[in-house]
Amino acid sequence: TQLLEQSPQFLSIQEGENLTVYCNSSSVFSSLQWYRQEPGEGPVLLVTVVTGGEVKKLKRLTFQFGDARKDSSLHITAAQPGDTGLYLCAGLPGSGNTGKLIFGQGTTLQVKP
Amino acid sequence: DAGVTQSPTHLIKTRGQQVTLRCSPKSGHDTVSWYQQALGQGPQFIFQYYEEEERQRGNFPDRFSGHQYPNYSSELNVNALLLGDSALYLCASSLVGEQPQHFGDGTRLSIL
Repeated sequence: TQLLEQSPQFLSIQEGENLTVYCNSSSVFSSLQWYRQEPGEGPVLLVTVVTGGEVKKLKRLTFQFGDARKDSSLHITAAQPGDTGLYLCAGLPGSGNTGKLIFGQGTTLQVKP
Repeated sequence: DAGVTQSPTHLIKTRGQQVTLRCSPKSGHDTVSWYQQALGQGPQFIFQYYEEEERQRGNFPDRFSGHQYPNYSSELNVNALLLGDSALYLCASSLVGEQPQHFGDGTRLSIL
């Protein structure tokens, strides 16, 4: 069974602080996606990383895919209250699989003003 | 351009009952996947439908079944409901063989 271990599960920080969320697995993923979910809503895609070692930036968010495509990280610089939400990593296992996303448990982020 | 729409938004059922949840994919998408998200957890893959057939299935019992119609809309049926079936049920759509999947806002199912 392929699993994605996400850490930390909960994070409460002050506005302006930096943070990193980790997503780890013993399995290789063909791609990895990061989503953000607000209460009462579905997950919204932030980014997809495909190549080992790939780094993508989205304003204050930096996403990295591990060289072996088994892990990923999300770094937020100077967090703002608007960043509050549930962050989910999700991977597509192996090759030829185009549907079954494997999700981590999620990281609940609270940014206090 | 309408996104993924799900109905109903909320539903309350009792143990042993049966439920049907509905999903209309994003315009232009032909593949629908269903996920179960328990409170405080990440979504878990139930199954995926393409060309009106179940193409992939996660680790869920046969009580969970689905259907896809020629217009690509889909239904998720759950029989003999258990307390543990209480969750947010998410529908996601995409073009076959492509990512990403676009998610609806889900149906919150509560079992009493």
